[in-house]
Amino acid sequence: DGGITQSPKYLFRKEGQNVTLSCEQNLNHDAMYWYRQDPGQGLRLIYYSQIVNDFQKGDIAEGYSVSREKKESFPLTVTSAQKNPTAFYLCASTITSGLTDTQYFGPGTRLTVL
Amino acid sequence: GEDVEQSLFLSVREGDSSVINCTYTDSSSTYLYWYKQEPGAGLQLLTYIFSNMDMKQDQRLTVLLNKKDKHLSLRIADTQTGDSAIYFCAESGPLNDYKLSFGAGTTVTVRA
Repeated sequence: DGGITQSPKYLFRKEGQNVTLSCEQNLNHDAMYWYRQDPGQGLRLIYYSQIVNDFQKGDIAEGYSVSREKKESFPLTVTSAQKNPTAFYLCASTITSGLTDTQYFGPGTRLTVL
Repeated sequence: GEDVEQSLFLSVREGDSSVINCTYTDSSSTYLYWYKQEPGAGLQLLTYIFSNMDMKQDQRLTVLLNKKDKHLSLRIADTQTGDSAIYFCAESGPLNDYKLSFGAGTTVTVRA
């Protein structure tokens, strides 16, 4: 089955700890994205990558870091510098040579910082 | 930057039609999208419309686009309890940008 997987589904961390969220896709998509979702605020773009070994900051990159060493993988690290990390995190991907720029989403990871 | 706006809540009786509205600001958007999010899940693409179209129908879904007013709507016919979800409108950015701008989402509640 082709798709986007995110793990784990639920993640609990103590304040001050870094945590890495996993995102893997086997769709052969070029571009990958990380969004943060808070109630009533829709989706806010954290980071995105259109090609391996390259990525750009989105609207709310502070306190987050990413890497794109492989086409299939785009892990997100939530650092201790992120002031309010408790949120639902969504990963998405798209093919950049297609007719549309439709993004396909993973199931999400809910991070709770205690 | 682009700004996509939606009303936050919609309550509809089972069997009636639902209409979810969205306004966007970027007149150069090539595609406009509707996504559905069920509780605790990711976003699922429902449908999209190319900017040179006025209407697109797909089974119970009808998308209307008024490019002059930058207004997009999604009509769900014969709304069922399984249609209860958050619906997001999104617009594409400039060519080769590959970023989408999302509205805040409309929470649709279907009552019996």
